[in-house]
Amino acid sequence: DIQMTQSPSSLSASVGDRVTITCRASQSINMNLNWYQQKPGKPPKLLIFSSSSLHSGVPSRFSGSGYGTDFTLTISNVHAEDFATYYCQQSYSTPPLTFGQGTRLEIK
Amino acid sequence: EVQLVESGGGLVQPGGSLRLSCAASGLSVESNYMTWVRQGPGKGLEWVSVIHNDGRTYAADSVKGRFTISRDYSSNTLYLQMNSLRAEDTAVYYCARELCYDSNANYNCYFDYWGQGTLITVSS
Repeated sequence: DIQMTQSPSSLSASVGDRVTITCRASQSINMNLNWYQQKPGKPPKLLIFSSSSLHSGVPSRFSGSGYGTDFTLTISNVHAEDFATYYCQQSYSTPPLTFGQGTRLEIK
Repeated sequence: EVQLVESGGGLVQPGGSLRLSCAASGLSVESNYMTWVRQGPGKGLEWVSVIHNDGRTYAADSVKGRFTISRDYSSNTLYLQMNSLRAEDTAVYYCARELCYDSNANYNCYFDYWGQGTLITVSS
């Protein structure tokens, strides 16, 4: 199975900051990398698919990049509603589809 | 509008069984890849099982032989039959639509619709 490792596990930021979360795959996954946002008590929401494509309705302050094994999710101007946990997920080698362990974005 | 509504969760003893349901509206469980994903208390997301539109099913090693995914066309409902439950199966179980597409020879799958989840607690 392909292992997905996110860093950092948590980070603190202020409203207006630029934030970057990284996700590394244990082997090359081309562009088969998706990002989700999850708030407490809620299901995950799709943000980015295929490394860099913004899902419908997702604000443009979210962006993704990367290819192969290294990927990033960037929030260019953090809003209050962005404080949540973020997960990456690969679909290159399935089943199983695998997720990263999550990155919790907290208010500084 | 797509809606996925899970039900069937609750408290069950180790070794017991439970069947989860996911009632779908706005999409056909028969025509889509439908998946169960779980999340243990304070933990991350774990893919559990999928049923493809052609009926093929796959399950995570952690549940293989114990959990069975199925669907019913007439009620447009997805199911997860869970047997021989263990404490480590305690989690919120989500059903989700898995959308797969091929773009520029890159075949990618992601979860675009999710239910609200149902909690399973396995404890004596």
